[in-house]
Amino acid sequence: AQSVTQPDIHITVSEGASLELRCNYSYGATPYLFWYVQSPGQGLQLLLKYFSGDTLVQGIKGFEAEFKRSQSSFNLRKPSVHWSDAAEYFCAVGRYSGGGADGLTFGKGTHLIIQP
Amino acid sequence: GAVVSQHPSRVICKSGTSVKIECRSLDFQATTMFWYRQFPKQSLMLMATSNEGSKATYEQGVEKDKFLINHASLTLSTLTVTSAHPEDSSFYICSAAPGTQIDNEQFFGPGTRLTVL
Repeated sequence: AQSVTQPDIHITVSEGASLELRCNYSYGATPYLFWYVQSPGQGLQLLLKYFSGDTLVQGIKGFEAEFKRSQSSFNLRKPSVHWSDAAEYFCAVGRYSGGGADGLTFGKGTHLIIQP
Repeated sequence: GAVVSQHPSRVICKSGTSVKIECRSLDFQATTMFWYRQFPKQSLMLMATSNEGSKATYEQGVEKDKFLINHASLTLSTLTVTSAHPEDSSFYICSAAPGTQIDNEQFFGPGTRLTVL
């Protein structure tokens, strides 16, 4: 069975500083990886996804993530955070069988706090 | 585009009653819809997958008789929590996928907060 580990429950970063959120996965085949952001009262919003190809993926809001198969990691990065980036971030792995969309397995999330 | 709504956003009910939660894809047709449950400060756990016109597939450990899922149309799926108890209190989130292509993105609803007294 697949699993996702986000080792950091909380991360505090100063506004304007760089950010890296860690994500490690366990999956028996080629993973389909996602990063979502959840703000209070809002649905989960997709930041970026990786299915194949270039291992450095660009997403919305200035985020990027790098897939490293050798480390089973898919860390999320942003060069300079803004106060509006404060939210809960979830890494997820997609389970696809026979070409059909399937449910996602999520990590426990990382709560990002931005200091002024 | 790709908006998913849920109704109600919050519901409080008495123990033993049933509660229905609706999930609608507003501007696309959803071949597949998913239901997740999120406990406070916890991750989302997949409960079930529903395809329009067929029976839902439940994850291991999810009681299909307690959590009834109906996906009657390409824009609507419902989750009914039957004979709700306080331990069913949680945040229920649905997502919808437009098709079955392998790189299909899921779009999430804002969630429904269920409190069972």
